[in-house]
Amino acid sequence: DAKTTQPNSMESNEEEPVHLPCNHSTISGTDYIHWYRQLPSQGPEYVIHGLTSNVNNRMASLAIAEDRKSSTLILHRATLRDAAVYYCTSRGEGAQKLVFGQGTRLTINP
Amino acid sequence: GAGVSQSPSNKVTEKGKDVELRCDPISGHTALYWYRQRLGQGLEFLIYFQGNSAPDKSGLPSDRFSAERTGGSVSTLTIQRTQQEDSAVYLCASSRGRSLTGELFFGEGSRLTVL
Repeated sequence: DAKTTQPNSMESNEEEPVHLPCNHSTISGTDYIHWYRQLPSQGPEYVIHGLTSNVNNRMASLAIAEDRKSSTLILHRATLRDAAVYYCTSRGEGAQKLVFGQGTRLTINP
Repeated sequence: GAGVSQSPSNKVTEKGKDVELRCDPISGHTALYWYRQRLGQGLEFLIYFQGNSAPDKSGLPSDRFSAERTGGSVSTLTIQRTQQEDSAVYLCASSRGRSLTGELFFGEGSRLTVL
């Protein structure tokens, strides 16, 4: 299983952009990079995923390094509701499970 | 509802008792996963089902843990002779199938407390 490494915690201010980094140096060429987030007392929810190209959706953007050894989840304008634990995960071909690390606890200051 | 449903939402039991946790996945989702999350920790993979078969049981921590899935739908996770270390939130997720890009939809979890 590919291993991911994230900072334990990050802090940002409301309405400012947030860049959440993830290292996945052992990822294989066919592993997608998935991001999930977990709000307090809830199950994780999908945020975004990508393989090689940068990806955008209504929640966030995902910037993937050219060598695919790292990626950055970008929240363009953080709100208080974005306070959560963010997990960078990987899922390999033939390995039908997502491996979750400790995640990054994001605090948003008003 | 349309989401993954888990029951009970909370369960308090005494050490040594057996417990059953239920997961009702989204209709039509063939893949089902169980994860465990201890307090303040990340998610720990337990088992994966594709249809009724479990091709990956690698995460089950001991033979006290077992899971089954019937009719390609509802799954039950059983913990026998519970220990205090089993206290955690047990999360179930489902997805459409084998797609590499399959999004997992999680339930809200069953919180188990073993006294």
